[in-house]
Amino acid sequence: SQKIEQNSEALNIQEGKTATLTCNYTNYSPAYLQWYRQDPGRGPVFLLLIRENEKEKRKERLKVTFDTTLKQSLFHITASQPADSATYLCALDKAGNNRKLIWGLGTSLAVNP
Amino acid sequence: NAGVTQTPKFQVLKTGQSMTLQCAQDMNHEYMSWYRQDPGMGLRLIHYSVGAGITDQGEVPNGYNVSRSTTEDFPLRLLSAAPSQTSVYFCASSQVTGELFFGEGSRLTVL
Repeated sequence: SQKIEQNSEALNIQEGKTATLTCNYTNYSPAYLQWYRQDPGRGPVFLLLIRENEKEKRKERLKVTFDTTLKQSLFHITASQPADSATYLCALDKAGNNRKLIWGLGTSLAVNP
Repeated sequence: NAGVTQTPKFQVLKTGQSMTLQCAQDMNHEYMSWYRQDPGMGLRLIHYSVGAGITDQGEVPNGYNVSRSTTEDFPLRLLSAAPSQTSVYFCASSQVTGELFFGEGSRLTVL
């Protein structure tokens, strides 16, 4: 069955630096891969979606890459700010229809001023 | 635009009691789903629906029922609560594909 691994240890970086979070999967390549942000006590909030035929997607300070050969997605936050501190989740969508997403456990990011 | 609204935010039940978690969305989304989130387990899909009258099981459906009589509403019913159902429950909706919109969560404790 499909498994997802995200950095289990919290990531601490200095304000202004680039944060890089990893999402590795073990089996089939999904049609879509999504990234979400979750703050304590809140629901996840969508950030970016990348399709299997896309190598890279950008949105403001955010960038996602998708390497189907390595079975890996990288999520970058450039010029990080303390407000970026949160848990970041990746989710794989095999069929591209949201019906049975598989979620990683998330990586906690702390941006220190 | 309210998005996805879940009620209640907090609930304490005794073992064996039943209850319904409510979920409503005002975005005319066809897809709605219920997840539970537990420490060390991540988000796990309980049930989902791709339209009114259509529901299907997710990864952990046992002990839960759902129905979808309207596009807007997707309630989750706990038939006979067990301590193992202590969790945070999230409702989410989307168009056929793409961005999921989550509610703020319902924290359930079963004693």
